[in-house]
Amino acid sequence: EVQLVESGGGLVQPGGSLRLSCAASGFTFSSYWMSWVRQAPGKGLEWVANIKQDGSEKNHVDSVKGRFTISRDNAKNSLFLQMNSLRAEDTAVYYCARDHPMGSAWGQGTLVTVSS
Amino acid sequence: QSVLTQPPSASGTPGQRVTISCSGSSSNVGSQTVNWYQQLPGMAPKLLMYSNDQRPSGVPDRISGSKSGTSASLAISGLQSEDEADYYCAAWDDSLNNWVFGGGTKLTVL
Repeated sequence: EVQLVESGGGLVQPGGSLRLSCAASGFTFSSYWMSWVRQAPGKGLEWVANIKQDGSEKNHVDSVKGRFTISRDNAKNSLFLQMNSLRAEDTAVYYCARDHPMGSAWGQGTLVTVSS
Repeated sequence: QSVLTQPPSASGTPGQRVTISCSGSSSNVGSQTVNWYQQLPGMAPKLLMYSNDQRPSGVPDRISGSKSGTSASLAISGLQSEDEADYYCAAWDDSLNNWVFGGGTKLTVL
């Protein structure tokens, strides 16, 4: 069974940092692009970033460029999102998702709240 | 403001057929395939349709997708109460170099 389990969310002050993790199981993690998608409270879905199978190619949405970095560890079947300089508008549930096709599997999400 | 445009709401009675539209541009829907996602209340999204008209395993054939030019549609026939959910379209955008979503459509089964 394909499973994606996010962790690392929580309450952080504006300007702070958090590192989200996503543990993958039930499929060959190293064979898939992976994405992070977020959803602000009561709002729609917003794609955040994706990363190629070997980590050699990454894309980030403009609103997080220079602040967020996606990475992965294929040996540990794990996906990460390093989030720096967090803003109130980054408050959202963050989902990790398997690509090919994008969103072919989703985690349950982890809530990030940016507030003083 | 979302890059892809969807109606905010749609509705139908049990057994009816409803369609949800998704409008984009030449850099996304016009040149890339479209995916659709269903999000039940309080749940993670689920892939409902990919590559315009391909159903993942387990999605019933009363749900179909299509695309023409810079617009795509999701059709649900034989509407059931369990179809009540939010639906999102998405496509890769060649100009932005990222995935873009529609704003979502809340489907109500009356």
